[in-house]
Amino acid sequence: GENVEQHPSTLSVQEGDSAVIKCTYSDSASNYFPWYKQELGKGPQLIIDIRSNVGEKKDQRIAVTLNKTAKHFSLHITETQPEDSAVYFCAARGGSSNTGKLIFGQGTTLQVKP
Amino acid sequence: GAVVSQHPSRVICKSGTSVKIECRSLDFQATTMFWYRQFPKQSLMLMATSNEGSKATYEQGVEKDKFLINHASLTLSTLTVTSAHPEDSSFYICSAVSGGRTDTQYFGPGTRLTVL
Repeated sequence: GENVEQHPSTLSVQEGDSAVIKCTYSDSASNYFPWYKQELGKGPQLIIDIRSNVGEKKDQRIAVTLNKTAKHFSLHITETQPEDSAVYFCAARGGSSNTGKLIFGQGTTLQVKP
Repeated sequence: GAVVSQHPSRVICKSGTSVKIECRSLDFQATTMFWYRQFPKQSLMLMATSNEGSKATYEQGVEKDKFLINHASLTLSTLTVTSAHPEDSSFYICSAVSGGRTDTQYFGPGTRLTVL
């Protein structure tokens, strides 16, 4: 089955700097890759997603890139702000899944220092 | 965007009692809902997939008789933790797939269960 590895587990940046979180997946048939932001005590919030037919997607300060050959995808946050501090999870949906089941990475705790 | 609610947000119960958690899609119909469990500082662990009008599909290692799931309508799924024990204390989160887009999952705010 699908396996998703996420790095780093913790990331600390200065306000205004960029943050990059990377994930790799094992199932070459996976076709959908969402990123979620989770604040303490709350449910995950979808911030951006990408499908396997595109290589990059951008939404204001957030971008995601996908390299299908290498089976990895990354989240890029530019001009970070203290309110970006949270735990970020990547996920992948296996190509053989007809239920929409997502496999999650281990999470990255992002701290943006003012 | 699609909104998913959960009730209650927090529950404390005695060991041996049963607890029901509700998950509702507020502004869309969800043919599929998912139930996750999350322990402190860990990732989300899928417990089961719930399809409206049919039996839930449980992940390996999840006891279906302990975690009862009912998906009676396109906007409501319930998770009942039966005979709860302290080791069942966790953060339970549901998600729902918006009709028409079979891969976008929207998550509820979660329910913190504490079993004494």
